[in-house]
Amino acid sequence: DAGVIQSPRHEVTEMGQEVTLRCKPISGHDYLFWYRQTMMRGLELLIYFNNNVPIDDSGMPEDRFSAKMPNASFSTLKIQPSEPRDSAVYFCASSFQLAVDTDTQYFGPGTRLTVL
Amino acid sequence: AQKVTQAQTEISVVEKEDVTLDCVYETRDTTYYLFWYKQPPSGELVFLIRRNSFDEQNEISGRYSWNFQKSTSSFNFTITASQVVDSAVYFCALRGETSGSRLTFGEGTQLTVNP
Repeated sequence: DAGVIQSPRHEVTEMGQEVTLRCKPISGHDYLFWYRQTMMRGLELLIYFNNNVPIDDSGMPEDRFSAKMPNASFSTLKIQPSEPRDSAVYFCASSFQLAVDTDTQYFGPGTRLTVL
Repeated sequence: AQKVTQAQTEISVVEKEDVTLDCVYETRDTTYYLFWYKQPPSGELVFLIRRNSFDEQNEISGRYSWNFQKSTSSFNFTITASQVVDSAVYFCALRGETSGSRLTFGEGTQLTVNP
C-alpha cells in the first residue's frame, strides 16, 4: 500500500507569494495531521482533521495559514502571504483510529519550503 | 500538560557499539501511549514502535529493544551492535488520553554511528 503522499517535495518561493502544500493520506485512514519542523521549535502540530473535519487548529501560527480537507483522500495547507520565517519542513501524517489503541501516525516524506 | 524530554542532544558511537537513547515523559493521564520515530538524513519520519501505558513488557525487534518503566516515567531505546545505517535523529513522542489525537514530541537525539 502507498504511504502518505506529499507534494511538492521542495518549494522555493519569494516572500509575499501564496504557497499550497498537498497531502494524500493512506487510504482508509480517518485522521490527518499537519506538522511543521524547524531547528528552533522542533516538530509542531499545526492542525488535525477527523473524517475531513478540523478538530484542533490551535497550532496554526496565524491567519496567513489555512488548511482544508475537501474529501477523505486530499488535504491542503496554504500560506498566504508567505514570509521567510515560514521556511521549514512541513509534514503530513495520517492514522486510523478504530479504537483508542490503534492511533499510530504515519508520516509523509515532507515538503521542504524555502521562502526568500 | 504533556512533556517529553530527550536529554541527549547528540550521541556519537563507533560501529558495533551498543547505544541507549533516553526518553523521559510527563503526563497526568493514567492511560497514555508512547512512540519512537526515526528520521534518517533523507528526512522522512519512520515509525518504530508504539507502547500502551498498561503494558510494561519490554520489546525486542532485531537489534532494537525498548525498556518501558512507569516508575521512572521512562521509555528508553537501545540499539545493539549499531551500524552506520542507524545514523539518524530519533524522536520519542507521547499521547495522553485527554489530549485528543495530539502527539507531543521530544526534541530528538541525533545519533551518529561512525565506521
